[in-house]
Amino acid sequence: DGGITQSPKYLFRKEGQNVTLSCEQNLNHDAMYWYRQDPGQGLRLIYYSQIVNDFQKGDIAEGYSVSREKKESFPLTVTSAQKNPTAFYLCASSRTSGIYNEQFFGPGTRLTVL
Amino acid sequence: AQSVTQLDSQVPVFEEAPVELRCNYSSSVSVYLFWYVQYPNQGLQLLLKYLSGSTLVKGINGFEAEFNKSQTSFHLRKPSVHISDTAEYFCAVTEMDSNYQLIWGAGTKLIIKP
Repeated sequence: DGGITQSPKYLFRKEGQNVTLSCEQNLNHDAMYWYRQDPGQGLRLIYYSQIVNDFQKGDIAEGYSVSREKKESFPLTVTSAQKNPTAFYLCASSRTSGIYNEQFFGPGTRLTVL
Repeated sequence: AQSVTQLDSQVPVFEEAPVELRCNYSSSVSVYLFWYVQYPNQGLQLLLKYLSGSTLVKGINGFEAEFNKSQTSFHLRKPSVHISDTAEYFCAVTEMDSNYQLIWGAGTKLIIKP
């Protein structure tokens, strides 16, 4: 079955550590996205990539980094510079970033800073 | 869209009763509209979308929504809810000239009472 996988499902981090969240899709989608979700708020865009080896900052990119070396993979690194990283992180992909922007979502990773 | 407002953070309703979840947006250009559903601890799934044509859009699980351009609204409705509809519902909007990035509402939790 085609879809998006995220790992791990739960992640615990000590303050000052960098962590990397995995996102893989086998839908052959060009565009991929990372969102952060906090209680009582909508989804906020961290980074997005429309094509391999290219990505753009979203609304809350500070303290995060990404790479897009392969079409199917878009890992997110939460760095120690991110002041409040505890949140639910969602990865999504779409066929293109064009008009039919139906985004398909992974199951999410819940990151907790200890 | 400059903003998306979901007027209710929670909507409690009895099983088999009708429900309406409200969504309003602000934009001066043409928009495309989406409703997504998020079950507990999962990613988001597309319920329905409005791109053009009939303003009454039917989606999965018996949901429908009506686009009202004059009132800049896209309310979600279901004539009879089931316990399995317990979830959080997100409205999202994208403008034609925005590189098609989605602007998200804060979400509405639908609570089904037995």
